[in-house]
Amino acid sequence: GAGVSQSPRYKVAKRGQDVALRCDPISGHVSLFWYQQALGQGPEFLTYFQNEAQLDKSGLPSDRFFAERPEGSVSTLKIQRTQQEDSAVYLCASSPDLLHTEAFFGQGTRLTVV
Amino acid sequence: AQTVTQSQPEMSVQEAETVTLSCTYDTSESDYYLFWYKQPPSRQMILVIRQEAYKQQNATENRFSVNFQKAAKSFSLKISDSQLGDAAMYFCAYIETSGSRLTFGEGTQLTVNP
Repeated sequence: GAGVSQSPRYKVAKRGQDVALRCDPISGHVSLFWYQQALGQGPEFLTYFQNEAQLDKSGLPSDRFFAERPEGSVSTLKIQRTQQEDSAVYLCASSPDLLHTEAFFGQGTRLTVV
Repeated sequence: AQTVTQSQPEMSVQEAETVTLSCTYDTSESDYYLFWYKQPPSRQMILVIRQEAYKQQNATENRFSVNFQKAAKSFSLKISDSQLGDAAMYFCAYIETSGSRLTFGEGTQLTVNP
């Protein structure tokens, strides 16, 4: 596809359930970023990949959050034992270089934990 | 830590009129980028305009322009000839030149009245 694709668009999870959110970046993009956007707030950084290497995961809120990009392309954000405070939109962005200045965002996955 | 503040939670403008959205930021860095992103209900972050801190000239993209005051750490967005399609949430964002994470403000919801 021409843009960053995220799936699913919407996810409802019962509290305690594990979820996996997928991001397909623009082909050839080196850098990939995940953000969490709570309702009515600006996005907050979660983690950053350069190819398959996770160079910064300091924004992950707890050890229940795990991200991977094993082949340097598709990335998956996994949340274990979901809690209500995990309800948010999860945005993925990719960039053709090592910087964030040319990043393109996907449409996000809205996660609701009930 | 860097912070970005948008003091206007909501703004409205009449179609064809001009509106200015405010943003201030705090940083001790000298090299950085500032951005304005538009987020419509589809949730996808769309880059509106970008400013490099070392450039004194204010960035312009068609009907969108910025007023960048580096000493005052102010970065406002002016939308001229407002159109109905400009209605969206607007986020101001900051990143260090070598950084891997965007810091976003809280957002300003812009309404365009016909």
